[in-house]
Amino acid sequence: DAGVTQSPTHLIKTRGQQVTLRCSPKSGHDTVSWYQQALGQGPQFIFQYYEEEERQRGNFPDRFSGHQFPNYSSELNVNALLLGDSALYLCASSSGPSGGSPLHFGNGTRLTVT
Amino acid sequence: QKEVEQNSGPLSVPEGAIASLNCTYSDRVSQSFFWYRQYSGKSPELIMSIYSNGDKEDGRFTAQLNKASQYVSLLIRDSQPSDSATYLCAVVTGNNRKLIWGLGTSLAVNP
Repeated sequence: DAGVTQSPTHLIKTRGQQVTLRCSPKSGHDTVSWYQQALGQGPQFIFQYYEEEERQRGNFPDRFSGHQFPNYSSELNVNALLLGDSALYLCASSSGPSGGSPLHFGNGTRLTVT
Repeated sequence: QKEVEQNSGPLSVPEGAIASLNCTYSDRVSQSFFWYRQYSGKSPELIMSIYSNGDKEDGRFTAQLNKASQYVSLLIRDSQPSDSATYLCAVVTGNNRKLIWGLGTSLAVNP
């Protein structure tokens, strides 16, 4: 039973560039949530996708956008990268968007912006 | 008042002792409660989910939920050095069904 997979594991980008992170949910899950976690901080909710639509969004600027595909996989795009975007980006999947099903996390993508 | 509050710690316990981690929440109609463990540099890992008042046990872990007092706790029996990590409490709020995270409690189990 494949868990949540994320790619790439590490990424180094230059300020102003754009980045795309990818996530495949755990088998049987249809909802994907994205989180940003800075060093020493808790996960910060970016947005959630269900049925290929953004269902909830956290307090992140429009530079952060996403997409969900018919196979439930998802992408997180960040434009015009800032140094402050350096963080661990976590994808989590669940069964349904209502919150009753616990999140299962991937191993994350470590993004460094220089 | 923060929606989900945890003592940041660090909580230090000797090996073999019981570690008690607490979490309080403000939304009285919250329905779903989760405990995650996160090792430094790694992603959170689900330990327990609890939905009803009372205790739920899984191996060395026991989650306790008291909706009247609006707290959920995690007990770790026979603590091991490998339990040293940050423990995150997450609560689904009742009305808008958002998952709200605490900032985590750092636990250190000393050999």
